[in-house]
Amino acid sequence: DAGVTQSPTHLIKTRGQQVTLRCSPKSGHDTVSWYQQALGQGPQFIFQYYEEEERQRGNFPDRFSGHQFPNYSSELNVNALLLGDSALYLCASSPRRGRVNIQYFGAGTRLSVL
Amino acid sequence: GESVGLHLPTLSVQEGDNSIINCAYSNSASDYFIWYKQESGKGPQFIIDIRSNMDKRQGQRVTVLLNKTVKHLSLQIAATQPGDSAVYFCAEIPSGSARQLTFGSGTQLTVLP
Repeated sequence: DAGVTQSPTHLIKTRGQQVTLRCSPKSGHDTVSWYQQALGQGPQFIFQYYEEEERQRGNFPDRFSGHQFPNYSSELNVNALLLGDSALYLCASSPRRGRVNIQYFGAGTRLSVL
Repeated sequence: GESVGLHLPTLSVQEGDNSIINCAYSNSASDYFIWYKQESGKGPQFIIDIRSNMDKRQGQRVTVLLNKTVKHLSLQIAATQPGDSAVYFCAEIPSGSARQLTFGSGTQLTVLP
């Protein structure tokens, strides 16, 4: 049973560029959440998707957008990258029934903006 | 604003001793709490959870205690092992937030040989 998988593992971009990160949820999960984790800090909630729609959003600008596909996989897009966007981006999945509050995390994508 | 926070940023314990990691939360509307463990280069790993209508929950070698009166959460690890070395986060889900996790800043646990 594959867990949450994210790609790529590392990424280097320059200011002003755009980036797309990808996530496949754990088998049987249909809800995907994205988090940003700065070095030495706890993850910060970006947004959550289920049924292919953004359902909740944290305090992040519109430069951060996402998408969920019919197979429940998801993408996180960040436009007009800033140096401060350098962080570990985590994807988490959870089921819609059962233990819905437990989110399972992938290993993350390390984004460096130069 | 309300947030989850931790008392200590680092904790060192001898192998075989018990560890206690503390967490203070300020959102009295939170009804669900989770402890996660994050090892270097990995994503957070679920350890144990507790609902706000409970005071204590036990797992394998771990116990979570919830004191709603003082808004305090703790994670107890019995017979700490080298593999327990990691950063530990408490996270809360405020009532009505539909599974939006709010994390604290974490405690680095180091197990000494």
